[in-house]
Amino acid sequence: RKEVEQDPGPFNVPEGATVAFNCTYSNSASQSFFWYRQDCRKEPKLLMSVYSSGNEDGRFTAQLNRASQYISLLIRDSKLSDSATYLCVVLSSGSARQLTFGSGTQLTVLP
Amino acid sequence: DAGVIQSPRHEVTEMGQEVTLRCKPISGHDYLFWYRQTMMRGLELLIYFNNNVPIDDSGMPEDRFSAKMPNASFSTLKIQPSEPRDSAVYFCASSLRDRVYFYGYTFGSGTRLTVV
Repeated sequence: RKEVEQDPGPFNVPEGATVAFNCTYSNSASQSFFWYRQDCRKEPKLLMSVYSSGNEDGRFTAQLNRASQYISLLIRDSKLSDSATYLCVVLSSGSARQLTFGSGTQLTVLP
Repeated sequence: DAGVIQSPRHEVTEMGQEVTLRCKPISGHDYLFWYRQTMMRGLELLIYFNNNVPIDDSGMPEDRFSAKMPNASFSTLKIQPSEPRDSAVYFCASSLRDRVYFYGYTFGSGTRLTVV
């Protein structure tokens, strides 16, 4: 079983739609959680951290369910510029300070 | 801050040649990571350093791959001899130990390697 699993998509949605991505992780001792965004032929960039209480940044809302080991990202009122691959990322416990990346979910927002 | 700087951006080489990829981490960051990304396998961690010391190289595919970090501001990833299956995008990333919980890693723009 992969340590971080995501639905690879692709998700093709019309502009203005709401879209949700889900992610599960296997290591119950994981400490920190993130969503990264990767544009085509670019490097991954931090989109937002995910906190236990849930957090929101504009049109983006991230949720964490530690009991179910589940992370989600909700994008409201999607824009053409939201088209990218979204990577679910988990920081495991221990001294490694090592991030584990999911394989990514591809989103295309259509005009 | 200039961010994580990688060079070259693109590299095309013939099978059997030596390839050297370079990385300059963000000043003050004490962790440096080398990743490889392909369509089939996604992002794979190859090796990482803490305070210039290699900590875990279990992701290095084979002996053809080697990495060094001679000082806090420079690291290299070398492939010798290169093979077509090494074709991928190689990313370098850095982080600061106490901030990784909140900010994750910062990636360089990557080196797109093509071995023909």
